[in-house]
Amino acid sequence: EIVLTQSPATLSLSPGERATLSCRASQSVSNYLAWYQQKPGQAPRLLIYNASNRATGIPARFSGSGSGTDFTLTISSLEPEDFAVYYCQQRSNWLTFGGGTRVEIK
Amino acid sequence: QVQLQESGPGLVKPSATLSLTCTVSGGSISTFFWSWIRQPPGKGLEWIGYIYDTDSTNYSPSLKSRVTISVDMSKNQFFLKLSSVTAADTAVYYCARGFCSGGSCYAGFVDQWGQGTLVSVSS
Repeated sequence: EIVLTQSPATLSLSPGERATLSCRASQSVSNYLAWYQQKPGQAPRLLIYNASNRATGIPARFSGSGSGTDFTLTISSLEPEDFAVYYCQQRSNWLTFGGGTRVEIK
Repeated sequence: QVQLQESGPGLVKPSATLSLTCTVSGGSISTFFWSWIRQPPGKGLEWIGYIYDTDSTNYSPSLKSRVTISVDMSKNQFFLKLSSVTAADTAVYYCARGFCSGGSCYAGFVDQWGQGTLVSVSS
């Protein structure tokens, strides 16, 4: 099973700041990686697929990069609605999620 | 806009079989990949499995011996059965639709989710 490790576990930032979230895979997943956002009491929302492609309707402030084992989700300027938990997920070998990064208001 | 809605018992006894239904509205179930994903309270996400092409399935290696996913095209519904449940199976269960873009459909990415239903395993 491919293990995805996300860091940091919690990111404390202010609105307008840049957020950089990391996801590291235990073995190469090529570019078969997605990012999801989850708010309390809601289902996750697909943000990025194939490492760097924004899903339909996702604002341009969200961007993804990386390939192989190291990936990054960047939120260029945090909006109030962006404070949430973010999960990476791979589909290279079965389908597994990382443990999540909570982006909280500082 | 497609909508998904989970339904089923909120409480299941240990060793029993958990059964859930996902009803799809606003679109046909005859295409796309259809998944079940769960999330224990306060924890992360776990993919249970998915179904496509009526009877093709793929299950989590850790749950494979206990999981069955099936579909009823005539009712636009798909189903989850998880046998021999324990307290560790207590979770919010989501049904979800595989993501398609630019003519490609991905079993392993999902872009439409149900609201989720909490299933507790307890005597």
